[in-house]
Amino acid sequence: SQQGEEDPQALSIQEGENATMNCSYKTSINNLQWYRQNSGRGLVHLILIRSNEREKHSGRLRVTLDTSKKSSSLLITASRAADTASYFCATVLYYGNNRLAFGKGNQVVVIP
Amino acid sequence: EPEVTQTPSHQVTQMGQEVILRCVPISNHLYFYWYRQILGQKVEFLVSFYNNEISEKSEIFDDQFSVERPDGSNFTLKIRSTKLEDSAMYFCATQGLQETQYFGPGTRLLVL
Repeated sequence: SQQGEEDPQALSIQEGENATMNCSYKTSINNLQWYRQNSGRGLVHLILIRSNEREKHSGRLRVTLDTSKKSSSLLITASRAADTASYFCATVLYYGNNRLAFGKGNQVVVIP
Repeated sequence: EPEVTQTPSHQVTQMGQEVILRCVPISNHLYFYWYRQILGQKVEFLVSFYNNEISEKSEIFDDQFSVERPDGSNFTLKIRSTKLEDSAMYFCATQGLQETQYFGPGTRLLVL
């Protein structure tokens, strides 16, 4: 079955730097969503981008979607120590089927 | 801000025992989901529930699993006879008319 897949990277950056992580998927989708998970906690929804959108912003977050390459990126600008978390992309195949298919996650550590 | 709650936060059980995990959705949400995350692995979809019936389930959701809304508010996941491999974090998620799923903090289940 189709799944979101992040580049399996652990990212360690200094506070104030930008963090970029990528996600690829295998089949057509309705939308792609990014979630954050702090260690041992629940998943927090960050942003959703639809298949007909190419870029979306929310605060310090910027998401891009390239449906021709079946890939997405999440950029966190001016990172803060509180951004330390795992970040997951998840895809929804088509409208009406809301099952989220998650990728493996990227661990981001922001050093104060 | 309304949030999804789950109880218990942790559960330890013996193999073969039944467990019931509980979720209180955000009020007026219509769609309900269970996901699980085995330690170090992806978040996996188990089941979706709408209008008092299962709308979709994954291959993981076999006859040992069941869901219900016993009192019209709580949403429960029952595992009839737990196995060692059921040890995981179980997340409830709920969704209203928008596409965003809101996750609870999870129940950590350990089967001994």
